[in-house]
Amino acid sequence: EVQVLESGGGLVQPGGSLRLSCAVSGFTFSTYAMSWVRQAPGKGLEWVSAISGTGASTFYADSVKGRFTISRDNSKNTLYLQMNSLRAEDTAVYYCANTFGGPDYWGQGTLVTVSS
Amino acid sequence: QSVLTQPPSASGTPGQRVTISCSGSSSNIGSNYVYWYQQLPGTAPKLLIYRNNQRPSGVPDRFSGSKSGTSASLAISGLRSEDEADYYCAAWDDSLSGRGVFGTGTKVTVL
Repeated sequence: EVQVLESGGGLVQPGGSLRLSCAVSGFTFSTYAMSWVRQAPGKGLEWVSAISGTGASTFYADSVKGRFTISRDNSKNTLYLQMNSLRAEDTAVYYCANTFGGPDYWGQGTLVTVSS
Repeated sequence: QSVLTQPPSASGTPGQRVTISCSGSSSNIGSNYVYWYQQLPGTAPKLLIYRNNQRPSGVPDRFSGSKSGTSASLAISGLRSEDEADYYCAAWDDSLSGRGVFGTGTKVTVL
């Protein structure tokens, strides 16, 4: 059974940092590109970042470029998202998924709230 | 801002067929696969269609996807009350060094 579990969300002040993690089991993690996708309250889905299976290639939305860093540890089957210089508009549920491949799997998301 | 355009809403009565469109460009739908997701309130998105027209195991054949040029469509036949949800298309976009893009989303209401 495939399991995708995000963690690390919480309340952070504007300008602060947070690191999200996504633990995966049930499929060969290292062979899949992975993405972070977010959804602000009452809004649609927004792709945030992606990383290739080896970690050699990374991609970012313009809205987070220079502030967020995606990475992965294939020995731990874990995906990360380091978020710096957080803004109120980064408030959202963040999902981890192996999107843009074959059948994909999503976690239940972790809520990030940026507020003073 | 979303690069893929969907109608904000669609509706039908039980048993009817509903179609949702997704309009993009040559750098996304025109050159890459399209994916469709269903999202029920308070839950994570669920994959309905991958690679334009493939259904994951467990997804009823009432759901079907198609693509033509820079547009794609999701059809729901035999509409049921449990189909009331938000639907999103998605694709990889080859512009700007590569990025993922989602549609604006369509709320389907079963009348």
